[in-house]
Amino acid sequence: DVVLTQTPPTLSATIGQSVSISCRSSQSLLHSNGNTYLHWLLQRPGQSPQLLIYSVSRLESGVPNRFSGSGSGTDFTLKISGVEAEDLGVYYCVQGTHAPPWTFGGGTKLELK
Amino acid sequence: QVQLQQSGAELAKPGSSVKISCKASGYTFTSYYISWIKQTTGQGLEYIGYINTGSGGTNYNEKFKGKATLTVDKSSSTAFMQLSSLTPDDSAVYYCARLQWFDYWGQGVMVTVSS
Repeated sequence: DVVLTQTPPTLSATIGQSVSISCRSSQSLLHSNGNTYLHWLLQRPGQSPQLLIYSVSRLESGVPNRFSGSGSGTDFTLKISGVEAEDLGVYYCVQGTHAPPWTFGGGTKLELK
Repeated sequence: QVQLQQSGAELAKPGSSVKISCKASGYTFTSYYISWIKQTTGQGLEYIGYINTGSGGTNYNEKFKGKATLTVDKSSSTAFMQLSSLTPDDSAVYYCARLQWFDYWGQGVMVTVSS
């Protein structure tokens, strides 16, 4: 199974600060069809995860454009340009290229400094 | 609007079984597969399996074969997951989520296994 490693495990930020989260895969996530199925989720405290970005860089409907995703192959990044209070929670990457099974990163907790 | 409504929390004894549900609304149920995810504090998010809501075909993570059984009732747009031979390690929050992108999630069901 594909292993996704997220860094850092915890991220402290002030409101308005820009931050980045890394997700590294044990195998290339480029599918034979040319797509890359690496997605990002946010789980706010006490809530279910929600989809932020799919296929590396495509913003899910309703998600603020301060969120952006980039990367290719085995290295991917989620960037938040100007953290807001509602962004606090745990971020997960998840891959679907080599699914099933889908596999998740270990999570990055974003907290206020 | 799309919703996945899950059943309520379960308290079960070791060795017993529970069956939790995930009722979909706001879209054509058979157009999307439903996946099931386990969340524990120590293990994060784990894929359990998915069900093809049209055909009833299933796929299971090797780790959960024999533990989870996925079924569907198209007439009520509801997916089910039965967990059997429960042990304390099965205590977790279980989510259903719509594939392909995990774009919609249920609210989660907390299952507690204790004697």
